Parts: sequence; C-alpha cells; structure tokens
Amino acid sequence: KQEVTQIPAALSVPEGENLVLNCSFTDSAIYNLQWFRQDPGKGLTSLLLIQSSQREQTSGRLNASLDKSSGRSTLYIAASQPGDSATYLCAGTSSARQLTFGSGTQLTVLP
Amino acid sequence: GAVVSQHPSWVICKSGTSVKIECRSLDFQATTMFWYRQFPKQSLMLMATSNEGSKATYEQGVEKDKFLINHASLTLSTLTVTSAHPEDSSFYICSAYRDYLSNQPQHFGDGTRLSIL
Repeated sequence: KQEVTQIPAALSVPEGENLVLNCSFTDSAIYNLQWFRQDPGKGLTSLLLIQSSQREQTSGRLNASLDKSSGRSTLYIAASQPGDSATYLCAGTSSARQLTFGSGTQLTVLP
Repeated sequence: GAVVSQHPSWVICKSGTSVKIECRSLDFQATTMFWYRQFPKQSLMLMATSNEGSKATYEQGVEKDKFLINHASLTLSTLTVTSAHPEDSSFYICSAYRDYLSNQPQHFGDGTRLSIL
C-alpha cells in the first residue's frame, strides 16, 4: 500500500527566501505525483502535476521534481512571499486514479 | 470557475442526526467520484470511490453502513453520514475527473466542514 511522507511538517522562512519541500513515497508505480496547496479551512488548489514519465514541472515560481527510482519529489518555491503561507500537500496517484496524500508541510513566510 | 461543487460548505448538528453532503460535477459527467476525509491537523484520507450506477468501493476501516454513498446520476454523488456522532466531525472533500482516462488532475470540491455537537 502506498505511503507518502512529507518533511518538514512545518517551516518558517523570511520573505524572499528560496525553499524546498520534500515528499517521499513507497510505491514507485505511481501514475503521477501532484502538489497541492491548502489554505486554513479551505479545499485544495492544484499546483503542479508530474506524470510518471516526467522529471519536473514548472509553474511561475514553483518547480516540482520527481525521481521515481528513489521515491522522492521536491517542490521548490523561489522568492517566497507571505501569500505563499499555507499547507502544501503532495499526493501520489495510483493506476486506479486514487490519491494517497502526505501529511503536509505547513509553510509560514514572514514579512 | 469551480467545476466541482460541494454542498453544504458547513454543517453543525446534534449527535444522532444524519447529514447528507452533495458533490456535483458542473459541466462534465463523472462516472467516478472520490470522497476524502480530513481530521484537524492531519492529511486527507480516501474514504471511498463512488461509481455511477453501482455500489461504492470503501477503503479499509470505513464503515459502509455509517457513510452511505449514492451516485445515482453522472453529475451527482452524495455522502450521507448516518447517526452522526462527535467523532465524525471532520472536513469532507469530494473530487472527480473530467476525463477519467486522461492524465489531467482531478477537480476537488471546496469541502464540507461537519461539526457534530
């Protein structure tokens, strides 16, 4: 059964800093790997989706990488802003299109 | 705009009440929808896969008699929490794929926060 782990659980950085969030998964037979953002009390916002055949995806200040062989993905956020403060979730998608979520990293960007 | 609508967004009710949550795909047909639950400070856990016209598939540890799922049409799945108790208080989110076979991400509803007193 797929298990997804995210470290750190919480991260606090000053505005403008570049940062990396880590995600690891146990089953390399994922269909794709997704990163989401969740604001307090809200639903999910999809940030990036990396197909199993891809190594990375970029959107604006965000870059996500995928290394299936090591079971790892990273989300790189450049020039962080206070508005980036949220919980970031990674999720592995199975062949049945079900998502297994990590426990999330709670990011606080200090102005 | 939203392509998956979830209603209600917030429910507060007394213990023993049954609560129905609706998940609608707004501009596409969804033969498969997913229901997730999120306890405070925890991640989302898949509860069940809702299949149009057939029985839902429940994850291990999820009581099918407690969480009734009905997917009677291609645009609507409902989750009914029967005889809800305080331990059922949680954030429930549904999702659906516009094209189940594609590599595009699924769409999530905005979630329903359920509080049982």
